[in-house]
Amino acid sequence: AQKVTQAQTEISVVEKEDVTLDCVYETRDTTYYLFWYKQPPSGELVFLIRRNSFDEQNEISGRYSWNFQKSTSSFNFTITASQVVDSAVYFCALSSLGNEKLTFGTGTRLTIIP
Amino acid sequence: GAVVSQHPSWVICKSGTSVKIECRSLDFQATTMFWYRQFPKQSLMLMATSNEGSKATYEQGVEKDKFLINHASLTLSTLTVTSAHPEDSSFYICSARDMASGSYNEQFFGPGTRLTVL
Repeated sequence: AQKVTQAQTEISVVEKEDVTLDCVYETRDTTYYLFWYKQPPSGELVFLIRRNSFDEQNEISGRYSWNFQKSTSSFNFTITASQVVDSAVYFCALSSLGNEKLTFGTGTRLTIIP
Repeated sequence: GAVVSQHPSWVICKSGTSVKIECRSLDFQATTMFWYRQFPKQSLMLMATSNEGSKATYEQGVEKDKFLINHASLTLSTLTVTSAHPEDSSFYICSARDMASGSYNEQFFGPGTRLTVL
């Protein structure tokens, strides 16, 4: 069975601080896909990134960066110089080759304090 | 590209009535669509996988007679909540897989439908 754990239920940081959201996953599959989604108060899920299990290269996109570590089954998400607009619930999710279902973590509610 | 719409965006109904929610892939074909339910401050829970032209596959604990899913075309899936009750009040989200997306399992999400049953 697949499992995604986001141990941080809620995080609050002051604007311009850096913040890292943790994601730990479990799967027996050798080929799998990891995702991060942002859910602002409006409710719509916003796709942020997909990472394939065979690509451990970290990625940076503007103020966002992701650290994929297969050795620790983690796929952490860092926001640098946080902004109020980053306030949202962030979900980490997992699926596998041959299994289309997405397994979501419980989400981390991020609040950026102006 | 890869836009998914849902209609309605919100609905309020009386207990005992049925509510239909539509999920459309606007600019791509989707053989598979997924329906999720999200209660306040909780994660998304997969309800069912909808396959075009065949019966939906429901997750354990989801009543198939209560939540009717129809995937009549490559761009449309509908979820009907039959005889809705207050405990069915939730945020319902659909997603769709682009047939051309290969093996990356990427799903594109609709904006969600907020159902309130009085």
